[in-house]
Amino acid sequence: DIVMTQSPLSLAVTPGEPASISCRSSQSLLPSTGYNYLGWYLQKPGQSPQLLIYLGSYRASGVPDRFSGSGSGTDFTLKISRVEAEDVGVYYCMQSLHTPRTFGQGTKVEIK
Amino acid sequence: QVQLQESGPRLVKPSQTLSLTCSVSGVSISTGGYYWTWIRQHPGKGLEWIGSIYFSGTTYDNPSLKSRLTISIDTSRNHFSLKLSSVTAADTAMYYCAREQGGYNYLDNWGQGTLVIVSS
Repeated sequence: DIVMTQSPLSLAVTPGEPASISCRSSQSLLPSTGYNYLGWYLQKPGQSPQLLIYLGSYRASGVPDRFSGSGSGTDFTLKISRVEAEDVGVYYCMQSLHTPRTFGQGTKVEIK
Repeated sequence: QVQLQESGPRLVKPSQTLSLTCSVSGVSISTGGYYWTWIRQHPGKGLEWIGSIYFSGTTYDNPSLKSRLTISIDTSRNHFSLKLSSVTAADTAMYYCAREQGGYNYLDNWGQGTLVIVSS
């Protein structure tokens, strides 16, 4: 199985400040298609996860542009340019190149 | 608007079979291009992919659960199902169904989840 490793595991951010989460995979997620099969999901308190970013850097419909994804191969980053109170929750990366799909451990984001 | 809704017993006895159904609305489950997926989350823990099924019936299972797992699809009822046999307390979790976009491989629609407790 592909192992996904996130860091940090928790993050406290002042509203309006940026935040960054790293995700590393044990194998490259970039096949010959040229797409990185890496998604970012946010699970707000008491809710189901929701898609933020797919294929490494494509924002899902309705996701604010303060969220951005970057990286390729085995190293990926989710950035929030200016954190808002509604961004609290646990962020997960997930690889979707191979089955079984695997998730990172999650990064809990809180507001200072 | 695509919606997914999990249903099934909330309490299952050890050694019995956990059975859940995901009812899909807003799209025909027999439309190609989607993989209908089960994911679970142990209390206070992260996400675990259980498996998925295509409308044709082709399944993709997590090897860690494969011997106990059956995922099926009923296109006439527009739902898909999960059966997990010989459950233990370790199978207590929130179970989510979700839709994966084929080709791009992202989970774009999730159910609200259902908590299943394994206890005598």
